Formats: sequence, structure tokens, C-alpha cells
Amino acid sequence: SQTIHQWPATLVQPVGSPLSLECTVEGTSNPNLYWYRQAAGRGLQLLFYSVGIGQISSEVPQNLSASRPQDRQFILSSKKLLLSDSGFYLCAWSVGSGGANEQFFGPGTRLTVL
Amino acid sequence: AQSVAQPEDQVNVAEGNPLTVKCTYSVSGNPYLFWYVQYPNRGLQFLLKYITGDNLVKGSYGFEAEFNKSQTSFHLKKPSALVSDSALYFCAVRDIMRGSYIPTFGRGTSLIVHP
Repeated sequence: SQTIHQWPATLVQPVGSPLSLECTVEGTSNPNLYWYRQAAGRGLQLLFYSVGIGQISSEVPQNLSASRPQDRQFILSSKKLLLSDSGFYLCAWSVGSGGANEQFFGPGTRLTVL
Repeated sequence: AQSVAQPEDQVNVAEGNPLTVKCTYSVSGNPYLFWYVQYPNRGLQFLLKYITGDNLVKGSYGFEAEFNKSQTSFHLKKPSALVSDSALYFCAVRDIMRGSYIPTFGRGTSLIVHP
């Protein structure tokens, strides 16, 4: 069966520090991968998505970046965190290119920037 | 362009009563529609989807949703609510004509089921 992992689960970082969040998927090949941020409240903001190794599309300009060094690994990074980067970060995957398949979400990382 | 609206920030219902969480959408072509549930401090979980075929879709935990093309709606329903159904519910849409990878999510509706 498929599993998605995210770590760390929680993170408290000072403003200006770097960030690296990791997401890995097990049990599937060539998944579409997504990074979302959920601010306090509720809405989901799509940050990045990837349809293959080394292929990253950015939805929102910001100080974050993403990389996909392996088929089932998706990394979210920042060189210098801002207060506004605080939030709940969710990784998700789906398969196929037709759009009919649902997404599967990881457990999330709660990031607090102080 | 594709968009989705969840007009209610919060829905309150008594345990045992039927519940409805509303969702309307806008797409250029035909939609793929999804419902997800999120419990506190957890990721979203898939509940059900409409792709084609029967307008009434049944999903996990006794939930169902009805696709209504004329009203561009996809409301989530359950005949008898449980306290454990209390959570945040998201509707999402993909426009078949627009592209395949990126869904648009609604802002979410908080469902509170009172004992």
C-alpha cells in the first residue's frame, strides 16, 4: 500500500534561518507531488507541484523553493525564513495525468517562525 | 478558469440529524469534483469524487454527494451525523479542459456535530 511521510512534524525556527522540509512517498512510482501551505484558519495554498524528477512548477512567487531529487522525494526549502512563512505545510501525491485521481496527503509539518 | 465556493464557514448539526455541506463550482468544461476531510493537526483525507456517471456518489464513513450540473453544485451529505464527523471539510474541482494536475480547493467548512 502507498504511504506518505513528512518530517519533521513540528518546527520552530527564528526569522532569517534556513528551512528544509522533506516528503517521501512509498508504494507508487512516478507520482505527481505537491506542496501546500495552510495558514491559520483553513485555506490551502498550492506552493509547488512536480510531475517528474527535476520538474518543478511554482504557483506563488515567494522566498521558498522546491526540489525533487528522486522520484518519490520532494523537498521544500528556504534560505531565509520570514514571519509570514509560519503555517501548516502539507505534502500530497497523486497518480496519472488525466486529473481524475484524488490526492493523498501527508500528516503535515507545523512551522512556527519567531 | 476553475473555482469552487463553500458558502458556509461553519455548519452546526445535532447528532443523529442529517447534515449537508455545500459546494458550488465554476469550470469551462466538465468538472472532476472531490471532497476531503481534515481532522485537527492532520493532513486531508479523501472522502469521495465525481468523475462521470451516476450523479449520486457514495464515499467513506457513510458520506455521499450529489452532482447537479444545472446548479453547478456538489453538496456533501450524510443521513445521520456523528459527533466524530466534526472536522473541516474541503471541496475541490479540476476542470477537465484546463489541465490535469492542479485542483482548486474551497476555503473549507467547519462541521460541528453537537451531542
